[in-house]
Amino acid sequence: KAGVTQTPRYLIKTRGQQVTLSCSPISGHRSVSWYQQTPGQGLQFLFEYFSETQRNKGNFPGRFSGRQFSNSRSEMNVSTLELGDSALYLCASSLTPELAYTGELFFGEGSRLTVL
Amino acid sequence: ELKVEQNPLFLSMQEGKNYTIYCNYSTTSDRLYWYRQDPGKSLESLFVLLSNGAVKQEGRLMASLDTKARLSTLHITAAVHDLSATYFCAVVVLTASGSRLTFGEGTQLTVNP
Repeated sequence: KAGVTQTPRYLIKTRGQQVTLSCSPISGHRSVSWYQQTPGQGLQFLFEYFSETQRNKGNFPGRFSGRQFSNSRSEMNVSTLELGDSALYLCASSLTPELAYTGELFFGEGSRLTVL
Repeated sequence: ELKVEQNPLFLSMQEGKNYTIYCNYSTTSDRLYWYRQDPGKSLESLFVLLSNGAVKQEGRLMASLDTKARLSTLHITAAVHDLSATYFCAVVVLTASGSRLTFGEGTQLTVNP
């Protein structure tokens, strides 16, 4: 079966612009979480969505937002981009948040954002 | 705030040698994952440890979990070059508001011929 699909895989933006990243979870999965990976801060939790509701949010400024649609696809948006937002953004899906807790969590290939 | 610390952060070893990566965490949790990441790639799940005393082995890698000591280890036996990668441990926390992974800093492993 198809895995977690993230688009776009690579993108370049300039400071001040905004960006939208998309994540399509594994078919049937209703929980989607997002992580940011940077060389300086490592892997950090951004958000978790389940059934179109944000259930959990990491410690990021309000410029970072997200949503989940009725088909479980999720998008995250970063507004007013800063150089420090350059990162690999990873999406993970599971059937439910509780199943993520038991190991049934699958990561996509990531979207690599470069801010110039 | 949950902290997850790995050591060492950098490990250079020769093929055929054994070594252990340590993962300490600061809160009560009985769920821990180990991931592998190759340069420019996503996270590949290696092990899911779901209880105190859990031990899992796959090829030259073996992971264990001691929830009382808040410690997990990833043991490498007779390393080969293909094991060169960055290894992350991640502690899972489930709350009423959802679940999240808190990752360690990663251990960059280089296996030299």
